[in-house]
Amino acid sequence: NAGVTQTPKFRVLKTGQSMTLLCAQDMNHEYMYWYRQDPGMGLRLIHYSVGEGTTAKGEVPDGYNVSRLKKQNFLLGLESAAPSQTSVYFCASGPVRTSYNEQFFGPGTRLTVL
Amino acid sequence: AQSVSQHNHHVILSEAASLELGCNYSYGGTVNLFWYVQYPGQHLQLLLKYFSGDPLVKGIKGFEAEFIKSKFSFNLRKPSVQWSDTAEYFCAVITNAGGTSYGKLTFGQGTILTVHP
Repeated sequence: NAGVTQTPKFRVLKTGQSMTLLCAQDMNHEYMYWYRQDPGMGLRLIHYSVGEGTTAKGEVPDGYNVSRLKKQNFLLGLESAAPSQTSVYFCASGPVRTSYNEQFFGPGTRLTVL
Repeated sequence: AQSVSQHNHHVILSEAASLELGCNYSYGGTVNLFWYVQYPGQHLQLLLKYFSGDPLVKGIKGFEAEFIKSKFSFNLRKPSVQWSDTAEYFCAVITNAGGTSYGKLTFGQGTILTVHP
């Protein structure tokens, strides 16, 4: 199993450009998440999905959109990139459990917006 | 809203010193607790987790953590650190685990550990 994979690994954008980050998981997990990591702030949840066709806002959703058309994929879009979106983006997935939850993380995408 | 606080931003130790990293959370209900480690240039790796039962949990690479419910704490410990433990450490919490939390993690700010040989 590859686990959670993310593409691309690195990207440089100019202000105003758009891009899509792809997350894929092969563990048949229902839940998927997008986080951003910034120095001194830990990881913050951008959006999440509890199943195919569903998405919800996390802690810092502004400027981002997501889609979960297939259970195994979770896409994060930036319609008009801004320098404040320079960050490392992590995707994660997790199974549905009744008593406890756990997440499995991808390797991250380092995005720089000039 | 729940929050997670890690007391130290940067800890510097010499090899063989003992380590304790503090983590406190603010939530009165059922929690799942985690410590993740991020080595330079790498992604998050799970060190250990607490779901229920024995409040002293052991993880990989000689790390352990103790859940003290009355203090809302989940401190990470290691008796003797090595240079290879140099990394950033994150405490994280899932509140209302298994219920309507949908497994969402709330992270602390992270603690950078530097171990000198």
